[in-house]
Amino acid sequence: DTGVSQDPRHKITKRGQNVTFRCDPISEHNRLYWYRQTLGQGPEFLTYFQNEAQLEKSRLLSDRFSAERPKGSFSTLEIQRTEQGDSAMYLCASSLMSRIQFFGPGTRLTVL
Amino acid sequence: AQTVTQSQPEMSVQEAETVTLSCTYDTSESDYYLFWYKQPPSRQMILVIRQEAYKQQNATENRFSVNFQKAAKSFSLKISDSQLGDAAMYFCALGINDMRFGAGTRLTVKP
Repeated sequence: DTGVSQDPRHKITKRGQNVTFRCDPISEHNRLYWYRQTLGQGPEFLTYFQNEAQLEKSRLLSDRFSAERPKGSFSTLEIQRTEQGDSAMYLCASSLMSRIQFFGPGTRLTVL
Repeated sequence: AQTVTQSQPEMSVQEAETVTLSCTYDTSESDYYLFWYKQPPSRQMILVIRQEAYKQQNATENRFSVNFQKAAKSFSLKISDSQLGDAAMYFCALGINDMRFGAGTRLTVKP
């Protein structure tokens, strides 16, 4: 069991650029979640998948954000036309049809 | 709407002493879980303890225990025999389909 992994761990980009993050869940987990965490705050829910189906999206997920989980395994989160307000830690978590979520180390995004 | 409130931004405890972190929540759902997660500086979120809402018995994990008051929608975490390694941000979370987190409590442990 290698746990939840995320790549990259850090990303620095210029405003207006597109970025994509990847999350690999624990292998047998069918649910995958994305959260955003800003400094000094708790994680905020963005979206979650059950297998390849995206079941819920937060209002925080503007039309510049898109998430996919094409084969029900890894997931990608893309942010288009990044803004400085997108700077945050992006956390991924996975679970096996239960409410217990295991978190990855996160991807820290800095938008200059 | 589901909300989680942690009213203590910071707490401090002497090593080997006991500390209690507070959490209140609000939901109209009857089937949910409650969690405490620990996030050490620059490290990933770790599950400390969980409580199923249908269980009346308070969960316990070694030095960590909860006081779950369902009617009051309160879910506090007690850390006994505090250790230096307990220093971290602690987040209370309400789990239904997704997870809603409180703003966190920063715990400092003094040697």
